[in-house]
Amino acid sequence: DGGITQSPKYLFRKEGQNVTLSCEQNLNHDAMYWYRQDPGQGLRLIYYSQIVNDFQKGDIAEGYSVSREKKESFPLTVTSAQKNPTAFYLCASSINRFNYGYTFGSGTRLTVV
Amino acid sequence: AQSVTQLGSHVSVSEGALVLLRCNYSSSVPPYLFWYVQYPNQGLQLLLKYTSAATLVKGINGFEAEFKKSETSFHLTKPSAHMSDAAEYFCAVKTERGSTLGRLYFGRGTQLTVWP
Repeated sequence: DGGITQSPKYLFRKEGQNVTLSCEQNLNHDAMYWYRQDPGQGLRLIYYSQIVNDFQKGDIAEGYSVSREKKESFPLTVTSAQKNPTAFYLCASSINRFNYGYTFGSGTRLTVV
Repeated sequence: AQSVTQLGSHVSVSEGALVLLRCNYSSSVPPYLFWYVQYPNQGLQLLLKYTSAATLVKGINGFEAEFKKSETSFHLTKPSAHMSDAAEYFCAVKTERGSTLGRLYFGRGTQLTVWP
């Protein structure tokens, strides 16, 4: 079955360390998105990519970086510059930016210890 | 600019009662609107979407929503709540123009509790 796979599901990081969250899709979707979810704040867009080798900052990009070298993959790196990285991270994709909705992965819960 | 407001961060109903989750949007162009559901520690699942066809949209699990342009609303309803409906619900609007074309803007979510 086609879908989006996020790994790992749970991730623990020490302060000062960078960590990379994986997002892979086999839906042949052009567009991919990273959201951060905190209680009571809904979903906030970190980065998005409409096509391979291109991506744009979302609303809260500081302290994060991404790459889009392959259509299937859109990894997110949480750097040590992100002051409050503990959150639930969701990856999503859509056929293209003109398509009507997103397909979401099951998320990665990152905890800084 | 696009935005979504969900009135009520928490809604509680008894099993069998009507579910009403409110969503108002602002958009400079005719919107595409969505409702998603999220169960604990999972991703979001699409419930239904409005894409300028019928104003009353039926989705999965017995949910439906009505697009009312005059009220800029897209409220989600279900006639009879079930325990399995307990989850968080997100309303979203999609941009159709400009540099942010294709983005979904989400509301802050409404947590639905269903009492037995």
